[in-house]
Amino acid sequence: AQSVSQHNHHVILSEAASLELGCNYSYGGTVNLFWYVQYPGQHLQLLLKYFSGDPLVKGIKGFEAEFIKSKFSFNLRKPSVQWSDTAEYFCAGVPDQGGKLIFGQGTELSVKP
Amino acid sequence: NAGVTQTPKFQVLKTGQSMTLQCAQDMNHNSMYWYRQDPGMGLRLIYYSASEGTTDKGEVPNGYNVSRLNKREFSLRLESAAPSQTSVYFCASSLSDGANVLTFGAGSRLTVL
Repeated sequence: AQSVSQHNHHVILSEAASLELGCNYSYGGTVNLFWYVQYPGQHLQLLLKYFSGDPLVKGIKGFEAEFIKSKFSFNLRKPSVQWSDTAEYFCAGVPDQGGKLIFGQGTELSVKP
Repeated sequence: NAGVTQTPKFQVLKTGQSMTLQCAQDMNHNSMYWYRQDPGMGLRLIYYSASEGTTDKGEVPNGYNVSRLNKREFSLRLESAAPSQTSVYFCASSLSDGANVLTFGAGSRLTVL
């Protein structure tokens, strides 16, 4: 069955620390992958997406993610987090030919000032 | 720029009552979705509509029905609400399914007593 898994449920970091949030997917065939963010009290918005091409994709606010096909992973990274990055982060995937966008369980990030 | 509009924003129901969540988008998107968000579970797809006139089950369709009224509107109905349906519900739309980015509504918080 198609699925997306996020390993970390809650991550606590201090400002300026580096961030890496794990995401693994299980899909046959070509897959499109996304990271969405939900800031406190707000609805989800897109951080970045991977469809094809360069496996290292850059998104808004200094975030990036690397698609590693051999590991079925799409981890989110940021070199130096800020307090304003406190939010819940969701990885999601959908087969390239269309269908259901499936989300991971989410990772809550708390950044201490 | 209204985007995706959901109503109501909050609702409290008693077990066994019925209600309909309304969703409308003004972006001329073809695909629409209903998700529920629960702590530690991420977003789970209830139903989606890849295009006007079609609907398909997602991961957790039991206890729900949907209607794609026209291209703009996609409603979610709870025929006989249960406490397990207490959740935050998000409607979303995209240009088409598959590789397209979802635009989310602000969410509807439903409590079933």
